[in-house]
Amino acid sequence: DAKTTQPNSMESNEEEPVHLPCNHSTISGTDYIHWYRQLPSQGPEYVIHGLTSNVNNRMASLAIAEDRKSSTLILHRATLRDAAVYYCIPRQGGSEKLVFGKGTKLTVNP
Amino acid sequence: NAGVTQTPKFQVLKTGQSMTLQCAQDMNHEYMSWYRQDPGMGLRLIHYSVGAGITDQGEVPNGYNVSRSTTEDFPLRLLSAAPSQTSVYFCASSYDYGGAFNEQFFGPGTRLTVL
Repeated sequence: DAKTTQPNSMESNEEEPVHLPCNHSTISGTDYIHWYRQLPSQGPEYVIHGLTSNVNNRMASLAIAEDRKSSTLILHRATLRDAAVYYCIPRQGGSEKLVFGKGTKLTVNP
Repeated sequence: NAGVTQTPKFQVLKTGQSMTLQCAQDMNHEYMSWYRQDPGMGLRLIHYSVGAGITDQGEVPNGYNVSRSTTEDFPLRLLSAAPSQTSVYFCASSYDYGGAFNEQFFGPGTRLTVL
């Protein structure tokens, strides 16, 4: 399993963009990069995933470095509801196994 | 759709007691799994199933049993509870095993305390 490094915590102000970094230097060529988040007292929820190209959906954008050793989750306008722990998870192609690290705890200030 | 449901929400057991945590999904998902989350930690995979009648061990399977007799249900059994099993347990499901675009759907969790 690829190892990931994420900041323990980050802070943002409401309605400002947030860039959450993740290093995954041991990622293999077939690993997808998944991001999940866990709101307080809830189960994790899927945010976004990608392989090589940058990806956008209604929740966030995912920017993947050209060498795939790092990625950045972008929340374009943070809201109070985005306060959560964000997990970056390289997932092997053909596997459902998700290996969760400690993630980044995002605090959003009003 | 109710999604992934888990019962009970909270449970307190004494050491040595047994119990079953229930998990059900109504999305016709083939893949289901159980995770535990200890305070301040990420989730760790206990057991998983790729379809009815098929189960396999994850990272921390000791002390837990599972079975999958239907697509919808995936109960987790604690055979003889120990204080080290105090944790929050999450069940998850996804459409199939290894699909490139699969997202996993998680239940709300069961908070278990073993005294």
